[in-house]
Amino acid sequence: GAGVSQSPSNKVTEKGKDVELRCDPISGHTALYWYRQSLGQGLEFLIYFQGNSAPDKSGLPSDRFSAERTGGSVSTLTIQRTQQEDSAVYLCASSLLIDISYEQYFGPGTRLTVT
Amino acid sequence: AQSVTQPDIHITVSEGASLELRCNYSYGATPYLFWYVQSPGQGLQLLLKYFSGDTLVQGIKGFEAEFKRSQSSFNLRKPSVHWSDAAEYFCAVGADDSNYQLIWGAGTKLIIKP
Repeated sequence: GAGVSQSPSNKVTEKGKDVELRCDPISGHTALYWYRQSLGQGLEFLIYFQGNSAPDKSGLPSDRFSAERTGGSVSTLTIQRTQQEDSAVYLCASSLLIDISYEQYFGPGTRLTVT
Repeated sequence: AQSVTQPDIHITVSEGASLELRCNYSYGATPYLFWYVQSPGQGLQLLLKYFSGDTLVQGIKGFEAEFKRSQSSFNLRKPSVHWSDAAEYFCAVGADDSNYQLIWGAGTKLIIKP
């Protein structure tokens, strides 16, 4: 079946602009995660959704970052007033349930470059 | 704070040679441990995981890993690498105050020499 998809695959934006990153999880997966991967570093957890609810937003780097999920499916990560330090690969993952014992399936990521 | 250390940023091995990628973690209790692989242009894929039981775990693509509590290590091994194994490998541990969050190492890039 279809895996996790993300769009766009690449995004170049000017400093100060807003961007929206989209994630389509595997159908039926109630848990959805957003991560940020900077060059030479491991994944940084940003936020997770259980259904449409995001119980823990403490991983978001600043108030310029927000995320939502609708219909228990598609999620968007929005970065307002982008800064150069936001340049990274943003990864989305989904799992059947919100528990570490359930495998997280990852999308290919969106590479964001802020110029 | 919890941490995961992958000491080798890059490793180069010849095709057909054996491989060991190192992973050390800090954790207070019995950890949940994972190895993921990220191939160019593809999403991260789970290779194997350890939750409990036999400390030697088998994964996909011929990989295995051994949990050594005394050394706080979870090293990944493969007896004979193939050119298709060239990728970046990430070790991760379940956060001790969360039932969903993973703490990730910085990754090891595996380069295969023909």
